[in-house]
Amino acid sequence: DIVMTQSPDSLTVSLGERATINCKSSRNVLYSSNNKNYLAWYQQKPGQPPKLLISWASTRESGVPDRFSGSGSGTDFTLTISSLQAEDAAVYYCQHYYNIPYIFGQGTKLEIK
Amino acid sequence: QVQLQESGPGLVKPSETLSLTCSVSGASMNNYFWTWIRQPPGKGLEWIGYISYSGSTNYNPSLMSRGSLSLDASRSQFSLNLTSVTAADTAVYFCARGGTSSDLWGQGTLVTVSS
Repeated sequence: DIVMTQSPDSLTVSLGERATINCKSSRNVLYSSNNKNYLAWYQQKPGQPPKLLISWASTRESGVPDRFSGSGSGTDFTLTISSLQAEDAAVYYCQHYYNIPYIFGQGTKLEIK
Repeated sequence: QVQLQESGPGLVKPSETLSLTCSVSGASMNNYFWTWIRQPPGKGLEWIGYISYSGSTNYNPSLMSRGSLSLDASRSQFSLNLTSVTAADTAVYFCARGGTSSDLWGQGTLVTVSS
């Protein structure tokens, strides 16, 4: 299985500042034939299902604010939230879908100061 | 507006079978893959498996062949059966749309395994 490791486990960032969450896969999730990274980012708030923010490592879903961006390739990925808003407090997960089984990172809890 | 809704027993006895159904409203099930994901209380997400609109399936090997998925497009439903459950199967079970990332999720249903 491809293991996904997120860092940090938690972070506290001030309103209006930038938050950066990292995700590292134990093996490459870039599919060479189509040059796509099989990596997604989700946001989960308490009592709610996860919400897909970004797919293919950097493609923002419709309706997701442009302060959310994804980057990286191969084994190292980053979710950046610029200019944090109060509603961004949540747990964030990365997930690979390169092969079976799809695996999620352990989650990063983001708190707003 | 497409919506997914999980249904099924909230309490299952150890060694019995957990059965859940996901009802899809607002759109056809055709041309999509449909997924189950679970989340033990206070923990992270675990991908269970998916079924395509044509019925092909893929499962997480960690289930050790205990899981099976089915789909009834005429009723706009797909289902999860998990046999021989233990306390480790206690979780919120989510159904979702998508065979790669999952762009649409149900609210989730808590299933507790206990005698």
